[in-house]
Amino acid sequence: NAGVMQNPRHLVRRRGQEARLRCSPMKGHSHVYWYRQLPEEGLKFMVYLQKENIIDESGMPKERFSAEFPKEGPSILRIQQVVRGDSAAYFCASSLTVDRGSEKLFFGSGTQLSVL
Amino acid sequence: DQQVKQNSPSLSVQEGRISILNCDYTNSMFDYFLWYKKYPAEGPTFLISISSIKDKNEDGRFTVFLNKSAKHLSLHIVPSQPGDSAVYFCAASASGSARQLTFGSGTQLTVLP
Repeated sequence: NAGVMQNPRHLVRRRGQEARLRCSPMKGHSHVYWYRQLPEEGLKFMVYLQKENIIDESGMPKERFSAEFPKEGPSILRIQQVVRGDSAAYFCASSLTVDRGSEKLFFGSGTQLSVL
Repeated sequence: DQQVKQNSPSLSVQEGRISILNCDYTNSMFDYFLWYKKYPAEGPTFLISISSIKDKNEDGRFTVFLNKSAKHLSLHIVPSQPGDSAVYFCAASASGSARQLTFGSGTQLTVLP
């Protein structure tokens, strides 16, 4: 999983500020996923993207959250007007194929967002 | 509503013995199951998976068992090693879910030397 790069590792924001989390998938991977882990909980799916397309955003909060995966550059998860409840570890994952039985997601080390 | 449950938050096992981690699920649409291992300050690492057409999959020291009628799966690690100490997450997906994995809350395994 060392190939999925996330930055920053730690991000501190005050309430009302914007948070931008970046993710570069493994080389050759065109599928990117964002997951969020709240304290003492498992990872929760947020969004699945392919290059320039959002495929499934059923786990994304309806407001303040957005994600993109442009043709060039990393995937960005953007949280506007952060609140304390947004404090969590945000993990990005990538995969190479969408074939059944090959759903191996490779995760990055995560971004720990702390909202003061 | 938790669709994937890991009811044991922690487990301690002596080095060399067997570790058994359990996972239950409620969604009958799940047809593919995975185990991930996570060390502190790192992302989850894929460990082993099993399709619902099988009831067992083995990879070295790791074996996953699936009991569809009971909606239960387990991960066996034998022999356990101190380096296996980590949080283990069970995850599941359903056909057409666009790779959306549903994770359990994890079990902290500690292997004592």
